[in-house]
Amino acid sequence: SQTIHQWPATLVQPVGSPLSLECTVEGTSNPNLYWYRQAAGRGLQLLFYSVGIGQISSEVPQNLSASRPQDRQFILSSKKLLLSDSGFYLCAWMRQVVYGYTFGSGTRLTVV
Amino acid sequence: KQEVTQIPAALSVPEGENLVLNCSFTDSAIYNLQWFRQDPGKGLTSLLLIQSSQREQTSGRLNASLDKSSGRSTLYIAASQPGDSATYLCARWAGGTSYGKLTFGQGTILTVHP
Repeated sequence: SQTIHQWPATLVQPVGSPLSLECTVEGTSNPNLYWYRQAAGRGLQLLFYSVGIGQISSEVPQNLSASRPQDRQFILSSKKLLLSDSGFYLCAWMRQVVYGYTFGSGTRLTVV
Repeated sequence: KQEVTQIPAALSVPEGENLVLNCSFTDSAIYNLQWFRQDPGKGLTSLLLIQSSQREQTSGRLNASLDKSSGRSTLYIAASQPGDSATYLCARWAGGTSYGKLTFGQGTILTVHP
């Protein structure tokens, strides 16, 4: 069966520090991978998606970047965090449209 | 701009009631529509997925319908229980060259009290 792992679950980082959130998928190959952010009082916003290794598309201009070094690994990064980067970050994967999306458990990031 | 609207924003009901959550979208070019549940501080759990060629899907006490012509989907929860308390999100999937990107509604916060 397919599973998706996200870590860490919770993170508190000072302004200006770097960030690295990791997401891995098991039990499938060549999935589409997505990073969403859920800010307080706001809906889910798509940040990045990837349809293959090294292929990254950004949806909104921001302080973050994403990378896909392996087929089932998706990393969200920042060189210098801003207060506005705080939020709940969710990784998701999709292999076939008929099965829809599967989300990870999320990372709660608080920038202080 | 593709938008998804969910009504009501919050709903509080006594245990045992049947209830309906509404989702509307502005763009009729819909491929799939997916309903999710989110418990506080947790990720999203998929409840039901309706493909554009389908009109409804059922899972246990849940039934979701899709009416493309009116741009609406409803999630029906029968015989609600306190364990159903959560935020319910609908997400529209355009398909085609959009690479499976989802557009989410703001969610309906459901509270079922004993």
